[in-house]
Amino acid sequence: DAGITQSPRYKITETGRQVTLMCHQTWSHSYMFWYRQDLGHGLRLIYYSAAADITDKGEVPDGYVVSRSKTENFPLTLESATRSQTSVYFCASSAGRTTDTQYFGPGTRLTVL
Amino acid sequence: AQKVTQAQTEISVVEKEDVTLDCVYETRDTTYYLFWYKQPPSGELVFLIRRNSFDEQNEISGRYSWNFQKSTSSFNFTITASQVVDSAVYFCALSERNAGNMLTFGGGTRLMVKP
Repeated sequence: DAGITQSPRYKITETGRQVTLMCHQTWSHSYMFWYRQDLGHGLRLIYYSAAADITDKGEVPDGYVVSRSKTENFPLTLESATRSQTSVYFCASSAGRTTDTQYFGPGTRLTVL
Repeated sequence: AQKVTQAQTEISVVEKEDVTLDCVYETRDTTYYLFWYKQPPSGELVFLIRRNSFDEQNEISGRYSWNFQKSTSSFNFTITASQVVDSAVYFCALSERNAGNMLTFGGGTRLMVKP
């Protein structure tokens, strides 16, 4: 009954390093999402996925890569981390399209030094 | 393009007071969905309510109530007899039928309930 989990919960890295944030959901939801939350900007969509092997860009995709080989997992990779990517990252999932609610994971606080 | 505005960035009340959080939205779609989420100090995002554009009935859940008015494009949230545990950031969000289930969030309202 884990629902949606994210790992790690906290991460400190250095500029230029590759970082992968993990997201796992146990509901078999079709849709999964990645958001970042920054002071002054609220939550902004980075990428989303409608199903395994189907991904699409959101509002702020630059500097991020996603993949979805399995329905339950949706990792987010920062290929070369920058300080501007210091943020809290939330993963979410929903069963279907706009009729369904998005449920959020606990978040990952990422600091890029 | 869809947009959500929460004009109140911060509200402070004393316990047991009633408080209303405002949410105004913009959309060109005729079918859309409105949401409220709560983010307590622990940081997680908790779903509170979903409303579709064809259902303007107000909803009450315990001390929480929501007033949806299409005529003013507003979806306001009222907490009656506020409690310290209501202290959180509250987000209003909008999803359009034609936007692939993407949520657009307002900037959030930080509610502080003082004992």
